[in-house]
Amino acid sequence: NAGVMQNPRHLVRRRGQEARLRCSPMKGHSHVYWYRQLPEEGLKFMVYLQKENIIDESGMPKERFSAEFPKEGPSILRIQQVVRGDSAAYFCASSPGQGASYEQYFGPGTRLTVT
Amino acid sequence: DAKTTQPPSMDCAEGRAANLPCNHSTISGNEYVYWYRQIHSQGPQYIIHGLKNNETNEMASLIITEDRKSSTLILPHATLRDTAVYYCIVRVLYTNAGKSTFGDGTTLTVKP
Repeated sequence: NAGVMQNPRHLVRRRGQEARLRCSPMKGHSHVYWYRQLPEEGLKFMVYLQKENIIDESGMPKERFSAEFPKEGPSILRIQQVVRGDSAAYFCASSPGQGASYEQYFGPGTRLTVT
Repeated sequence: DAKTTQPPSMDCAEGRAANLPCNHSTISGNEYVYWYRQIHSQGPQYIIHGLKNNETNEMASLIITEDRKSSTLILPHATLRDTAVYYCIVRVLYTNAGKSTFGDGTTLTVKP
């Protein structure tokens, strides 16, 4: 059973460009979470999605950031008009169910560098 | 979610047990204790979780005090590959509460 897949693993964008980060959850998992880790800091929750629904986006910046998890295909975290402060590692996690009785499994992350 | 407090760093000799403490004095009855670790900027790795009983799996043991205000993660025979940042997290049990709130964690260094 393959783990959580994220691609690309490394992404370089110039200021003002768009970044698209993809996350394929583990087989059978319909719950996806995105976290951001700034250099030398801990992970910060961004958004929690189920298929076709955003459940909790309390950690996501109000502008330039959006996330989706369509019925078919991977979850996408989209950052428009990137700035240098967006440079970070973005981790996706998935779980088979809702709530704390289900553990979250993390992917290897996408390292975004904005030049 | 309840806040957790962990020592910023710990050392452990290879082959010895590593005991990592976590304080969660404001934990409520519907919150689980979770432990993850992050090895050198890789994705966090799930270790173990529990509600009120002690738990053991192939990686570690989790000891939760009777009042649930603190817990200890035990790696029974630490190896160099266990050097990582260890995060103790509490998560609310019920629906629409999927997120994990990560603190600063404990940097465990296993020394030969």
